[in-house]
Amino acid sequence: DARVTQTPRHKVTEMGQEVTMRCQPILGHNTVFWYRQTMMQGLELLAYFRNRAPLDDSGMPKDRFSAEMPDATLATLKIQPSEPRDSAVYFCASGEPTGSHHNEQFFGPGTRLTVL
Amino acid sequence: SQQGEEDPQALSIQEGENATMNCSYKTSINNLQWYRQNSGRGLVHLILIRSNEREKHSGRLRVTLDTSKKSSSLLITASRAADTASYFCATENRGGSNYKLTFGKGTLLTVNP
Repeated sequence: DARVTQTPRHKVTEMGQEVTMRCQPILGHNTVFWYRQTMMQGLELLAYFRNRAPLDDSGMPKDRFSAEMPDATLATLKIQPSEPRDSAVYFCASGEPTGSHHNEQFFGPGTRLTVL
Repeated sequence: SQQGEEDPQALSIQEGENATMNCSYKTSINNLQWYRQNSGRGLVHLILIRSNEREKHSGRLRVTLDTSKKSSSLLITASRAADTASYFCATENRGGSNYKLTFGKGTLLTVNP
């Protein structure tokens, strides 16, 4: 049963610390997304990659956030330095678009981040 | 920015009743999708309807799309307590980046046993 996995599931850290979240997309999926979900803003797209190349990171605060795909099996989202307003659930999703027929995205369980 | 806006924000019904959720959007789309999120979990894809389709069924789900009104509805028939979740619509916008989805803020559905 192929699934997107994310680590850690929960992270509590202090303001100013570096946070790294990891995602393993479903094997064979060529597109990976990072989302942030909060009560106030809902689900926001931060960045996404296709074939490991960044396509759009316009939703991401560039001064403190960075996203990479070191290889096809790992995507990372890093916050440095973290701030209390970064507290949210961060989701990774992957998919393999084939024209307009298979456009669904498969979500991981999320990383719940709390910055004190 | 939010493209899809779900209505209502919250809905509470009894088991066995039907639940209808609506979604409105602003720009032209390639397709519209509905996702479900159980508390503390990731989103799960339910159904996709393309811009040239008007209605689609999947089990107890029925989705309609009216591109002239830029709106969609999700109907869950014969609801069960296990249907309790948040439901989100998401649009893939025409002319935008392929495969990028914009999500609404969701409808919280509670089905009481």
